[in-house]
Amino acid sequence: AQSVTQPDIHITVSEGASLELRCNYSYGATPYLFWYVQSPGQGLQLLLKYFSGDTLVQGIKGFEAEFKRSQSSFNLRKPSVHWSDAAEYFCAVGRYTGRRALTFGSGTRLQVQP
Amino acid sequence: KAGVTQTPRYLIKTRGQQVTLSCSPISGHRSVSWYQQTPGQGLQFLFEYFSETQRNKGNFPGRFSGRQFSNSRSEMNVSTLELGDSALYLCASSIRLAGVEETQYFGPGTRLLVL
Repeated sequence: AQSVTQPDIHITVSEGASLELRCNYSYGATPYLFWYVQSPGQGLQLLLKYFSGDTLVQGIKGFEAEFKRSQSSFNLRKPSVHWSDAAEYFCAVGRYTGRRALTFGSGTRLQVQP
Repeated sequence: KAGVTQTPRYLIKTRGQQVTLSCSPISGHRSVSWYQQTPGQGLQFLFEYFSETQRNKGNFPGRFSGRQFSNSRSEMNVSTLELGDSALYLCASSIRLAGVEETQYFGPGTRLLVL
């Protein structure tokens, strides 16, 4: 069975600083990988996804993520954080045959200091 | 194009009651998945429906059930509610075409409180 680990429960960064959120997955084959963001009381918004091809993927709101097969990682990055980025971020993995049954990590809550 | 809609947005029930939640997918999307989100267990997959048939099921008791209608709208039902069923229930829709990489788009959720 696949699993996702987000080692950082809570991260605080200053506005304008760079950001990297870590995600490690466990899955035997090539996974489908996603990053979603959730603001308080809201649903999940897709930031970006990786299915195949270029291992560096660009998403919305200036986010990018890099798939590293050798490290089983799919870390999310942003060069300059804005106060509006404060939210909870979830990494998720889907199998080819069950890609609509996503397995989520426990989430990383991002706080942005002015 | 309108997003995934879920009704109601908030619900309060008491233990032992049953509840039905509704989800309308994005127009053209034929697959609907349901997830439960709780502080303790995080986001967990409940089930997926496509063409009015359950295609995948997560590890939840039989009290949790669902169905999908011919217009792709879906409902989930929880019978004999327990305090632990208090959660945010999220619905996601996708197109579901064979061999096509697809993405799930989530609704705002229904927050259920069981007293």
